[in-house]
Amino acid sequence: SQQGEEDPQALSIQEGENATMNCSYKTSINNLQWYRQNSGRGLVHLILIRSNEREKHSGRLRVTLDTSKKSSSLLITASRAADTASYFCATDADNYGQNFVFGPGTRLSVLP
Amino acid sequence: NAGVTQTPKFQVLKTGQSMTLQCAQDMNHEYMSWYRQDPGMGLRLIHYSVGAGITDQGEVPNGYNVSRSTTEDFPLRLLSAAPSQTSVYFCASSYSGTGDVPKETQYFGPGTRLLVL
Repeated sequence: SQQGEEDPQALSIQEGENATMNCSYKTSINNLQWYRQNSGRGLVHLILIRSNEREKHSGRLRVTLDTSKKSSSLLITASRAADTASYFCATDADNYGQNFVFGPGTRLSVLP
Repeated sequence: NAGVTQTPKFQVLKTGQSMTLQCAQDMNHEYMSWYRQDPGMGLRLIHYSVGAGITDQGEVPNGYNVSRSTTEDFPLRLLSAAPSQTSVYFCASSYSGTGDVPKETQYFGPGTRLLVL
């Protein structure tokens, strides 16, 4: 069963623009993570936000969490061609914090 | 550190054949897991282990076996390959101890692309 669902499925923007991806989930969570996957590679952890947090920043990344709406957003500011990748949200599937459910991802293309 | 390594990178099997996908990590992580990734879908958890000698099933365990005899290694065995097992397989590990990195952070290997004919 899929807990997280990213939106949009695909996004194409110009270099320098901001990219926003959304994630919706169904049940209560302890934390939500965002991962990036470059074509043909493994996933790389970007940022984690806990259920008692509303916003976190890491470099050009900004993540928000709205537990009342069961949704999160990932904002990448001043995008670069190197940001071209698929982005996944992952929500914890149990209370031990070690099993996660990944959404189908958003494919981001940043055009030069 | 090499991080999480997986072998082979690519494998072609015939239906009914068996094989073992290897996964190793050199970060002394207690927790390791196997996921499969299919087109248009997120990663789905196959099996996981919270430490040497302890394994458990994830969301899609049928057709796969695992064992964890050491902290470093977590092989995934396909008992009798089926075309439905054509997928990309990722191994991941995480550390439950304290530190700057959240314990929930998963480190992924580069993946094994499996084609079952």
